[in-house]
Amino acid sequence: DAGVTQSPTHLIKTRGQHVTLRCSPISGHKSVSWYQQVLGQGPQFIFQYYEKEERGRGNFPDRFSARQFPNYSSELNVNALLLGDSALYLCATGTSPAEAFFGQGTRLTVV
Amino acid sequence: TQLLEQSPQFLSIQEGENLTVYCNSSSVFSSLQWYRQEPGEGPVLLVTVVTGGEVKKLKRLTFQFGDARKDSSLHITAAQPGDTGLYLCAGDDTGNQFYFGTGTSLTVIP
Repeated sequence: DAGVTQSPTHLIKTRGQHVTLRCSPISGHKSVSWYQQVLGQGPQFIFQYYEKEERGRGNFPDRFSARQFPNYSSELNVNALLLGDSALYLCATGTSPAEAFFGQGTRLTVV
Repeated sequence: TQLLEQSPQFLSIQEGENLTVYCNSSSVFSSLQWYRQEPGEGPVLLVTVVTGGEVKKLKRLTFQFGDARKDSSLHITAAQPGDTGLYLCAGDDTGNQFYFGTGTSLTVIP
């Protein structure tokens, strides 16, 4: 069975640009969460979606947005990129919000 | 903000030694997870503990959830180089999000 798939794996963007990260869940998983992990730290919660509805939002600015599609895949969008947005962005999916199986992440570098 | 503090932050030991990693919080969690993360990869779930006082064993790894469900520990017996990685604990409050600890970076020297 395929695990959680994230794309792209690596990305380099310029300050001020916009980025879209994608996540495909494990088959049967309806919950998707997004995390930001800065080097040397634990993941920080950004969003959670369950059954296509936003169930939770972390302490991130409005430049960060997300959505979940009818097939339960998800996108994370970040506008007006800052250097400080450089991080590993992780997607986690589960059959319920209490489960979290992680993808390999997208390494975003903002220059 | 619910914080999970892990100790030690860094740990370097010889192959065959035992070690314990601690995860502490002032908050109560409905469940607590332990993950291991390799560089450039996503965290891989090791175990979920739900009941206060619960002990789970996974080969050489023993996980314990505190009676008050505020803290947890991970004990590794006879560490091997393959155990090297970043160990993360994560607490689930009501199921809407996980709060991750600061992480413990373990290096096992052959």
